[in-house]
Amino acid sequence: GESVGLHLPTLSVQEGDNSIINCAYSNSASDYFIWYKQESGKGPQFIIDIRSNMDKRQGQRVTVLLNKTVKHLSLQIAATQPGDSAVYFCAENRGSGNTGKLIFGQGTTLQVKP
Amino acid sequence: GAGVSQSPSNKVTEKGKDVELRCDPISGHTALYWYRQSLGQGLEFLIYFQGNSAPDKSGLPSDRFSAERTGGSVSTLTIQRTQQEDSAVYLCASSLNRNYEQYFGPGTRLTVT
Repeated sequence: GESVGLHLPTLSVQEGDNSIINCAYSNSASDYFIWYKQESGKGPQFIIDIRSNMDKRQGQRVTVLLNKTVKHLSLQIAATQPGDSAVYFCAENRGSGNTGKLIFGQGTTLQVKP
Repeated sequence: GAGVSQSPSNKVTEKGKDVELRCDPISGHTALYWYRQSLGQGLEFLIYFQGNSAPDKSGLPSDRFSAERTGGSVSTLTIQRTQQEDSAVYLCASSLNRNYEQYFGPGTRLTVT
């Protein structure tokens, strides 16, 4: 089926700890994946992306891991800060010939405790 | 630089009325997308425009929904004979081309009473 899912609806972490948000996808033809952060009342904000020819990509304080064998994607946030509190969505793009539309998961709410 | 802008930010309408939502993409972006987000949910793809190609309308939920993109820039999403289930945040995004990161606008919150 067409679905991108997240394993946990809410993740609560202590400030300064590392956070890991997981995502499973179902379409093995997907070749592009994106993580978005959405704060209350705002549109999603691009965090980091990864293409299917890679298994890891790092940004500033964030790392995305892609395991194509088990169709799993994760977002790691180092030294989580209160400003990281938001809903995080993974999204996939469905392979060559597609139109660029993204299929989004339901989102994981990250709560950072001071 | 200027991001994606949408107007209005909020729209309250009566059931059965038509509404138009506007999106101004980032200048130079050839791809434009419309999504819908219901309360507490993920984003649902509606329609995609890429340059002069025919749009991908596969996500439009009914024939009451339509969208145009004039001159390869501004887009308008029209919902005719609105229903209460149309209440949601309508988000527009643009990207340099397909398979590049999509930049989202702040959305239009539509409430159908």
